[in-house]
Amino acid sequence: QQQVKQSPQSLIVQKGGISIINCAYENTAFDYFPWYQQFPGKGPALLIAIRPDVSEKKEGRFTISFNKSAKQFSLHIMDSQPGDSATYFCAARQTGANNLFFGTGTRLTVIP
Amino acid sequence: EAGVAQSPRYKIIEKRQSVAFWCNPISGHATLYWYQQILGQGPKLLIQFQNNGVVDDSQLPKDRFSAERLKGVDSTLKIQPAKLEDSAVYLCASSLGWADTQYFGPGTRLTVL
Repeated sequence: QQQVKQSPQSLIVQKGGISIINCAYENTAFDYFPWYQQFPGKGPALLIAIRPDVSEKKEGRFTISFNKSAKQFSLHIMDSQPGDSATYFCAARQTGANNLFFGTGTRLTVIP
Repeated sequence: EAGVAQSPRYKIIEKRQSVAFWCNPISGHATLYWYQQILGQGPKLLIQFQNNGVVDDSQLPKDRFSAERLKGVDSTLKIQPAKLEDSAVYLCASSLGWADTQYFGPGTRLTVL
């Protein structure tokens, strides 16, 4: 059973546009929601993370929006650049535990 | 700061053969993780160590997979015998402590023929 559902599977955006990736979960015990960025041949790298006590977190061009009641969270990449082309994974971690449950990933392509 | 090191980067074996992967975590990181990433999917945790003790191995197929972390530093993951469905990238990650940010290595891509 997929603990975290991610969409879309792939996304093509023009340079300068906004990329939006969505994730949903069911387990209300999740209390930490990170996003990871993975380039081909590399391991995932933490991009930005949020806890459910806030509805939004922004770091540079990357923003996480969190809707606790809907059990959904999303990543917004503003002013998308070709260098942002990568696979993005959302994840979630349960209170008192340390293992991450990852979504299935979104392959983002930013066209110059 | 040196990152998580893994070797080999690529491995091709026949089914029923054995294979071993090695991981050297970031210096000082007490927690070490092994993940399996099947093509088109997100990483799935196989086993987690805190220093040299196993914290969680509930997702490890123990009939064929084994892992150890001697002296609380380097770790090896072994598959014996390998099956076709074991074809995946095996990622090692480490964190300073419990619930800290996990840093991933580049992974070992295993192909089982």
